[in-house]
Amino acid sequence: KQEVTQIPAALSVPEGENLVLNCSFTDSAIYNLQWFRQDPGKGLTSLLLIQSSQREQTSGRLNASLDKSSGRSTLYIAASQPGDSATYLCAAPNQAGTALIFGKGTTLSVSS
Amino acid sequence: DAGITQSPRYKITETGRQVTLMCHQTWSHSYMFWYRQDLGHGLRLIYYSAAADITDKGEVPDGYVVSRSKTENFPLTLESATRSQTSVYFCASSGTGYTYNSPLHFGNGTRLTVT
Repeated sequence: KQEVTQIPAALSVPEGENLVLNCSFTDSAIYNLQWFRQDPGKGLTSLLLIQSSQREQTSGRLNASLDKSSGRSTLYIAASQPGDSATYLCAAPNQAGTALIFGKGTTLSVSS
Repeated sequence: DAGITQSPRYKITETGRQVTLMCHQTWSHSYMFWYRQDLGHGLRLIYYSAAADITDKGEVPDGYVVSRSKTENFPLTLESATRSQTSVYFCASSGTGYTYNSPLHFGNGTRLTVT
């Protein structure tokens, strides 16, 4: 059974810091892993999707890595800004590929 | 505008009443999903649909019914609402299923309160 865990649950940093959010999953036979952002009262926005054949995916100041063998993914945010404040969730497919299993998220607060 | 629209945004209902949450997408995506989000549990899949007239249960389907007569619509019905169904409900869509590397797109959610 796929389980997805995110550490830390919350993170507060000053503006400008580089930071890393962690995601671990128990079933390494995944096709892909996705990172999402959720703002308060809003739906989730897809940030990055890493295919199983890839090790990294980049979008602007965001970089996500995937290590299937260790069951880990990281989301790196460079030069954080107050606008980055949100909850970040990672999600991986279950073994049957019929459901996306979400972690509980890391709530990020970036102060100016 | 292209995207996923959920309605209503907020709903208060009484225990035992039937409630239908609506979801409409304009991308002609094949796959559609219903999730609920609760503190302490995170996001959990209720039902999903691979195409019109094809639906299947997710992790927490009890007490819910779905239908998909048209590709663009995927309503979720609570047959007899219970307080444990108080939650935020999200509809999502994808061009292909999870295994085909297509990102998931979410609506803004419906906040349902059952009194």
